[in-house]
Amino acid sequence: DQQVKQNSPSLSVQEGRISILNCDYTNSMFDYFLWYKKYPAEGPTFLISISSIKDKNEDGRFTVFLNKSAKHLSLHIVPSQPGDSAVYFCAARPFGYSTLTFGKGTMLLVSP
Amino acid sequence: GAVVSQHPSWVICKSGTSVKIECRSLDFQATTMFWYRQFPKQSLMLMATSNEGSKATYEQGVEKDKFLINHASLTLSTLTVTSAHPEDSSFYICSARSLAGATDTQYFGPGTRLTVL
Repeated sequence: DQQVKQNSPSLSVQEGRISILNCDYTNSMFDYFLWYKKYPAEGPTFLISISSIKDKNEDGRFTVFLNKSAKHLSLHIVPSQPGDSAVYFCAARPFGYSTLTFGKGTMLLVSP
Repeated sequence: GAVVSQHPSWVICKSGTSVKIECRSLDFQATTMFWYRQFPKQSLMLMATSNEGSKATYEQGVEKDKFLINHASLTLSTLTVTSAHPEDSSFYICSARSLAGATDTQYFGPGTRLTVL
């Protein structure tokens, strides 16, 4: 039972345009969500997070939106840059717990 | 800030030998560290949660006698793969939980590529 789903295994975007990466979850106990970026043969790098008490969090070019009623979150990258090409993982954590549940990742390719 | 290191970055060993992987939080203290395993084109699979000064909590299906975890200090956790076999070949990644500021976030190490011949 996959509690965190990233249904798009890959996404291609042109440099300068917006990248939108989506994530759905099924566990209503999740209350904290994170996005990580991962290059091959490296550990994931923390990008941005959002608590369930918010519906939007912004940090530079990265914005995460949370729709609790739909159990859906998305990561927007504007403008996209070739260096953003990587695998992006969505992760979630229930209230009071430290363990994260990860999605399978979406590979983003930003072409010049 | 929030830098996590792993050593070694890669290791090749013979079947039947044991391999130790170190995970260090360099600029913060971590009472909790996590060990993950990643198969090619797969997500990160949590193996165990390591708490400083106490026994690790293993996920279902992970053999605790095969994957020994020690979290002896607030900045160091080790994973020892005992009697390694080719099927243990994988990418092992650790993370450390930081409670600094208003966030509760896991920061990951760069990973260790283990190849068992």
